[in-house]
Amino acid sequence: GDSVTQTEGQVALSEEDFLTIHCNYSASGYPALFWYVQYPGEGPQFLFRASRDKEKGSSRGFEATYDKGTTSFHLRKASVQESDSAVYYCALGDRNNAGAKLTFGGGTRLTVRP
Amino acid sequence: EAAVTQSPRNKVAVTGGKVTLSCNQTNNHNNMYWYRQDTGHGLRLIHYSYGAGSTEKGDIPDGYKASRPSQENFSLILELATPSQTSVYFCASGATNTGQLYFGEGSKLTVL
Repeated sequence: GDSVTQTEGQVALSEEDFLTIHCNYSASGYPALFWYVQYPGEGPQFLFRASRDKEKGSSRGFEATYDKGTTSFHLRKASVQESDSAVYYCALGDRNNAGAKLTFGGGTRLTVRP
Repeated sequence: EAAVTQSPRNKVAVTGGKVTLSCNQTNNHNNMYWYRQDTGHGLRLIHYSYGAGSTEKGDIPDGYKASRPSQENFSLILELATPSQTSVYFCASGATNTGQLYFGEGSKLTVL
C-alpha cells in the first residue's frame, strides 16, 4: 500500500537557521503530495500541496518541490523563527481524487531556539 | 471560517465499555475522516465517509465503527474499548478533489 516516510523524528534549530525535513513516498500511480503543520494543542493545518512532477508548493516561507524521480517532497525554509516550532506532516493522496483519502507520514517535531 | 468541532474533548473509559466520539462540521464538505494520532505513528486513518449514509474502512478499522447520519455529523464508535485504543482522535472534513482537510482540535481518550 501507499506509504510516506519522514526521516527525522525531531529537529532542533536556532532562529535564522535553514530547515530541511525529508519526506519520501511510495505509491502506485501519480499521487498528490501535501505538507501539514500542527501547533501545540491544535489539529493539523494544511500548509500546501503539489500535484505534478517538478511543481513547487509554498506557503508562509516554507516550500517543497515534487520530485517523481527520487519520490521525494522535502520541506525547506531559509530562515526559521521560534514561532515555527510545531510538528510537520508530509502526506500523499490519490491525484485524481485527492480529497478522498490521505496517508500521512510519522511527523517531524521542529523545535526552534530563540 | 471552516469549523470542525469534536466532543468530548477528553474522555476516560473502562476496558470493555462503549465509547462514542462525535464530530460536527459546518463546512458543507462531502468527505469526513477519523484519524488517530500516536507518537511514532503519526496520523493513521480509521474510517472515512463520502457523504451521508456512507462509511469506508481506512487503514486501521479493527475495533472501530463509524456512522454518518447527515452531511454535518460523523461519529466514531468503540463498542468494546481496550487500553490499546488510548490515543488522541482527530476528525476532519474535506472537499472532494482538494486534499485540503480541516481538522478538529482532537479528542483525548484514555481507556483504563
